[in-house]
Amino acid sequence: AQSVTQPDIHITVSEGASLELRCNYSYGATPYLFWYVQSPGQGLQLLLKYFSGDTLVQGIKGFEAEFKRSQSSFNLRKPSVHWSDAAEYFCAVGPYSSASKIIFGSGTRLSIRP
Amino acid sequence: GAGVSQSPRYKVAKRGQDVALRCDPISGHVSLFWYQQALGQGPEFLTYFQNEAQLDKSGLPSDRFFAERPEGSVSTLKIQRTQQEDSAVYLCASSFLAGGLNEQFFGPGTRLTVL
Repeated sequence: AQSVTQPDIHITVSEGASLELRCNYSYGATPYLFWYVQSPGQGLQLLLKYFSGDTLVQGIKGFEAEFKRSQSSFNLRKPSVHWSDAAEYFCAVGPYSSASKIIFGSGTRLSIRP
Repeated sequence: GAGVSQSPRYKVAKRGQDVALRCDPISGHVSLFWYQQALGQGPEFLTYFQNEAQLDKSGLPSDRFFAERPEGSVSTLKIQRTQQEDSAVYLCASSFLAGGLNEQFFGPGTRLTVL
C-alpha cells in the first residue's frame, strides 16, 4: 500500500537558518509527489510538485525539493527561513494508478525562533 | 469568490444528530474533493467529484457519510447520526482540471465537534 512518512513532528529553526523537512514514501512505481503548506487559519497551499524530469523542483516562496528514488525521499528545503514560514507542512503522494486520490503524510510543524 | 469557501466554519453537534457541510468551489473548477483531517494528522481523502459525477467515494468511512454535487458546482457533505469519532476538520478542495494530480485549492475547513 502507498504511504507517506514525515518523521519529524515538530521542528524549530532560527530565522535566517536553513531548513530541511523530511519525507519518505512507499510506492512501487514512480509516484507523483507534492508539498503543501497549511498556515494557521488558512487552507492548504501547494508549494511544489514533482511528476517527472529534473529531480530538483523549485516551488513558491523560495522552497525547493529533491526527489531521490534510491532513498524513496522527497525532502523540502529552504536556504533561509523567514518568520512567516511558521506553519504545518505536508508531503503527499499521488499514485499513478489513481486519477483522484492523493495521500498526505501526518505533517511537520515548523516553528521559527526569532 | 476568489477562493474555495466552506460553511459553517464551526459546527457542534450532539451525538446522533445529522449535519450538513457546504463547499463552494472556485467557479469553473471541474474537480472537487472532500478530506477529513483529524487533530495532528494530515488530510485523508473522502471522496471526489468530476463535475456532478461522484467518481470515487472509496474514502467515506461508513454509510453514514454521503456527499453530493448535483449541479457540478456547490457540494454538500452530509453525516448522519454523528458519532464522537466524526469530530475532525472537514476540508474541501477544487481543481481546474480533472483528477487529483493537478493543483488543488483548499478551503479553510469546517471544524466539526461531536459531543
